[in-house]
Amino acid sequence: SQQGEEDPQALSIQEGENATMNCSYKTSINNLQWYRQNSGRGLVHLILIRSNEREKHSGRLRVTLDTSKKSSSLLITASRAADTASYFCATDETDFGNEKLTFGTGTRLTIIP
Amino acid sequence: DTAVSQTPKYLVTQMGNDKSIKCEQNLGHDTMYWYKQDSKKFLKIMFSYNNKELIINETVPNRFSPKSPDKAHLNLHINSLELGDSAVYFCASSHGKGRKAFFGQGTRLTVV
Repeated sequence: SQQGEEDPQALSIQEGENATMNCSYKTSINNLQWYRQNSGRGLVHLILIRSNEREKHSGRLRVTLDTSKKSSSLLITASRAADTASYFCATDETDFGNEKLTFGTGTRLTIIP
Repeated sequence: DTAVSQTPKYLVTQMGNDKSIKCEQNLGHDTMYWYKQDSKKFLKIMFSYNNKELIINETVPNRFSPKSPDKAHLNLHINSLELGDSAVYFCASSHGKGRKAFFGQGTRLTVV
């Protein structure tokens, strides 16, 4: 099974509404990151939250982390058409020397103008 | 100005051929990666290199051979291509474990 799983798999909302995506993971982590992928493009880093942090903000983005439930959420406020993309969470596991990020399955977000 | 660049962007080839994908980063990062994204958009790590040394090889067939001539480059060579190799391959780099990663634009490989 996958380390990170996003929920929902797909989300369509009206422009101006808030979008919330969730991510669950299985192992202990050092940090959790969120990335955006526009269609046909590479991934772009959005925000990183460390395991000792509970909430972090960056512009219209708000990320929460609950290590007891092994889950995170990404909230995008006042959505815009340009926010249409796939969003992935990625975990940096605590396994020493494990030089990789493990990505979730992604949430496909569509903003309807 | 492109931070992580990979070439080619598209690659269409026949089964059995050998092909290479090149990746270069100008960010001064020590760690580089290859990821494979399948048709369901699932991203899976293939290889990780740190200072030109292989750190991670995630159960990838040995038809796939990465090569890092220096810290700024990580190329991927694939022998005897199979239909199942069709996917988008992403190169990425970072300052190291747990740091944010910068991705290339991807190479869409289609094996026919």
